[in-house]
Amino acid sequence: AQRVTQPEKLLSVFKGAPVELKCNYSYSGSPELFWYVQYSRQRLQLLLRHISRESIKGFTADLNKGETSFHLKKPFAQEEDSAMYYCALWTGANNLFFGTGTRLTVIP
Amino acid sequence: NAGVTQTPKFQVLKTGQSMTLQCAQDMNHEYMSWYRQDPGMGLRLIHYSVGAGITDQGEVPNGYNVSRSTTEDFPLRLLSAAPSQTSVYFCASSELAGGPRNEQFFGPGTRLTVL
Repeated sequence: AQRVTQPEKLLSVFKGAPVELKCNYSYSGSPELFWYVQYSRQRLQLLLRHISRESIKGFTADLNKGETSFHLKKPFAQEEDSAMYYCALWTGANNLFFGTGTRLTVIP
Repeated sequence: NAGVTQTPKFQVLKTGQSMTLQCAQDMNHEYMSWYRQDPGMGLRLIHYSVGAGITDQGEVPNGYNVSRSTTEDFPLRLLSAAPSQTSVYFCASSELAGGPRNEQFFGPGTRLTVL
C-alpha cells in the first residue's frame, strides 16, 4: 500500500531560521513526489515536484530513495511562508496520495 | 480565467437528504477529480474522470456518484447523506497526460456538514 507520512502536524520557526518539513513515503516502485501548499484564504496549489529539481520561493526538496524521504527545506524562513504544507505521492495510476499536512508558522 | 469553481461554499444537510456539489473548470482540462479532506486524514480521492463520459472510482467512492457530460463540469452527488460524509470537499483538474502527475488546480472547497 502507498502511504505518505508527515510526522509533524505543527511546526514553528523564527523568521530567518532554517526550516525543514519532513515527508516519508512507502512505495516499492519508482515514485514521484510533490509538495502542495495552502496559504491562508487561498487554494491548495503546487509548490514543487521532485522531477523538476527546481527551487520555488527558496524551497527545495530532494528525493532520497534510500531513506524514502522527500523533505522540504528552506534556509531562511519568511513570514509569508506560514501555511499548510502537504506532501503527495504519485505511483503511476490515477491517484495522488496526500499526507496529513504540516502547518508551518513563522514567528516574526 | 476563473480556474476551478465550486458551489456551494457551505452546506448543511440532514441525514438521508441528497445534494449535488458542483464543480466547473474553464481550462479545458480533461482530468478532473474529487477529494475529501478530513481532520488527520489528508486528502483522499473519491472519484475521477479522464474526459467527458468517462469516470472511475478513487480510494473512497462509497456513497458518492459522479458524471461527466461535458469537459467543463464534474458534479458530485450524495444520494443519501450520512454524518460520516461531513467533510471538506475539493475538486481539482489537470491536463490529461499523466493525470494527477501534472500540476493539479484546486477549487476553493465546499464545507459540508451532515446532521
